Amino acid sequence: DAGITQSPRHKVTETGTPVTLRCHQTENHRYMYWYRQDPGHGLRLIHYSYGVKDTDKGEVSDGYSVSRSKTEDFLLTLESATSSQTSVYFCAISELGNDYGYTFGSGTRLTVV
Amino acid sequence: QQPVQSPQAVILREGEDAVINCSSSKALYSVHWYRQKHGEAPVFLMILLKGGEQKGHDKISASFNEKKQQSSLYLTASQLSYSGTYFCGTSDGGNSGGSNYKLTFGKGTLLTVNP
Repeated sequence: DAGITQSPRHKVTETGTPVTLRCHQTENHRYMYWYRQDPGHGLRLIHYSYGVKDTDKGEVSDGYSVSRSKTEDFLLTLESATSSQTSVYFCAISELGNDYGYTFGSGTRLTVV
Repeated sequence: QQPVQSPQAVILREGEDAVINCSSSKALYSVHWYRQKHGEAPVFLMILLKGGEQKGHDKISASFNEKKQQSSLYLTASQLSYSGTYFCGTSDGGNSGGSNYKLTFGKGTLLTVNP
């Protein structure tokens, strides 16, 4: 049973519409992250959370917001989707102080048309 | 800033060795290495903490030169299963010195192992 799941796995949406991606974990990890992956750019951090209702911006946060009302759920919202937000979005979880690195979800492929 | 990885791509035959480098312009607390196969999520390989520790398992090992802010991943006697894109992720540890704090990833190195 996967410790981290993302939904949906694939989504096509129209420019200007709001979109919410969900990340759910069963590991009770404190830290959760949203990354986007684009060819030639690797993984870039959008937002992260260090606890319930505690979030902060990453390097590419413009046009995105997040919420974390429960330990297990971290939501990423594209307020008004644009074609530049077409990407693969990965959620990751971790704990400080351990040597297990990040565990990534399977990703959400989002296409904005 | 993103750490710089080199080379961008490498092609090997089975049994050959490869080295992937990761270099940062800022002081690092930890370096992570991940492998991602096409269409899949990145998978954690190992973590190195400041102090020049070298780690490894099986035929994959890594080193971390704290003074130069550089890490290298060594793949020896490569197997077909080693193919994929390798990413280094770096952390400055934040205020609490966490080795997993807010990783910044390089752009990746595509490794192809042919029979």
